Amino acid sequence: IAGITQAPTSQILAAGRRMTLRCTQDMRHNAMYWYRQDLGLGLRLIHYSNTAGTTGKGEVPDGYSVSRANTDDFPLTLASAVPSQTSVYFCASSAVGGRFVTDTQYFGPGTRLTVL
Amino acid sequence: AQKITQTQPGMFVQEKEAVTLDCTYDTSDPSYGLFWYKQPSSGEMIFLIYQGSYDQQNATEGRYSLNFQKARKSANLVISASQLGDSAMYFCAMRVINAGGTSYGKLTFGQGTILTVHP
Repeated sequence: IAGITQAPTSQILAAGRRMTLRCTQDMRHNAMYWYRQDLGLGLRLIHYSNTAGTTGKGEVPDGYSVSRANTDDFPLTLASAVPSQTSVYFCASSAVGGRFVTDTQYFGPGTRLTVL
Repeated sequence: AQKITQTQPGMFVQEKEAVTLDCTYDTSDPSYGLFWYKQPSSGEMIFLIYQGSYDQQNATEGRYSLNFQKARKSANLVISASQLGDSAMYFCAMRVINAGGTSYGKLTFGQGTILTVHP
């Protein structure tokens, strides 16, 4: 069982370019999430999806978009990258999502993105 | 608003000894979950242990236990018999159902504590 895979592992990107970070889970989890991790700021939620076909904004959604066409995949797109989007991006999933505080989130290995 | 505070930027422990990593939280929501994650130098986030706000007993998972003191709003992680492989960053996180009765599953993370285990 792979759990959650993310691609690419790392990327250096020129400012203004479009970039899609891929995330796939094989646990049949309903909910998926994208976080970014920045030094001194911890992890912050960018976007989430409680079930296939639905998405929502987290606390730092500007400059990012997501889609959830099926249960397994949850790509994150940077339409026009800026240097402030340099970060480590984590995809996560949980079985239920929504209103259940007990719902444990499991994380992928992360993507290290540098925007120059 | 929810907040997690980890006041120890770094901790050191001798191999085979126990160590406590502090975590305090702030929320007005009566229903919440508290989580601890480990992030080794390789970068992945590994789930360690969970404690629910209504749980009567402290959570335990192998060498990990959670010292949950609800009145003090603290959820400290205790690692017993430390091993060299325990050296990592440790994050405390919280999830609540917000006032509107809906939750998008956001985890609020603390700043993390770097644990170094000495041989």
